[in-house]
Amino acid sequence: GQNIDQPTEMTATEGAIVQINCTYQTSGFNGLFWYQQHAGEAPTFLSYNVLDGLEEKGRFSSFLSRSKGYSYLLLKELQMKDSASYLCVLSGDTNAGKSTFGDGTTLTVKP
Amino acid sequence: DVKVTQSSRYLVKRTGEKVFLECVQDMDHENMFWYRQDPGLGLRLIYFSYDVKMKEKGDIPEGYSVSREKKERFSLILESASTNQTSMYLCASSLGRASRYNEQFFGPGTRLTVL
Repeated sequence: GQNIDQPTEMTATEGAIVQINCTYQTSGFNGLFWYQQHAGEAPTFLSYNVLDGLEEKGRFSSFLSRSKGYSYLLLKELQMKDSASYLCVLSGDTNAGKSTFGDGTTLTVKP
Repeated sequence: DVKVTQSSRYLVKRTGEKVFLECVQDMDHENMFWYRQDPGLGLRLIYFSYDVKMKEKGDIPEGYSVSREKKERFSLILESASTNQTSMYLCASSLGRASRYNEQFFGPGTRLTVL
């Protein structure tokens, strides 16, 4: 997406922790989503942040700082099945109900 | 669980053909979306709809049209398919526009090849 920056690729080791960063260049939006997309499959919801701070959900956490234009997704205790693309998505930035997707970060988890 | 279905997983068409991609959701969602996904370009919004018979252009509407005659069904139409429309097409729906209600539920995708 033109307003969203994520690293293209990351590699991590099984059992480790990885942080996927997302920066954006827009001042107004409703909330920020993270989706997971395995190769050849559709994206599925991982997390949602509307307020600044950390949202924790099992092995996955997501953080948002509106003032810094920054979010990250934290994956703990990595498993091989976490190898996927992770999409940072702004909701309602240009139009309520419309979402802008980042190009995604392809994470490869190695044994 | 919300289920979003698409009419075909794979489709091969010839240049100039009219192509219909159908999407159905079963959870009474207000909003429906059509995206295409291409390597290096991410998901790009083609059209979306907030209600029956309503439609709004997304970021790349050229060469496409849509139809939403019933709340559960959203169709994408390629009036005259071209090779640059070869892509993965993803349909999605969401409950509402505000906040967490805009979580999008995706169909499995249709991989369209235009020869």
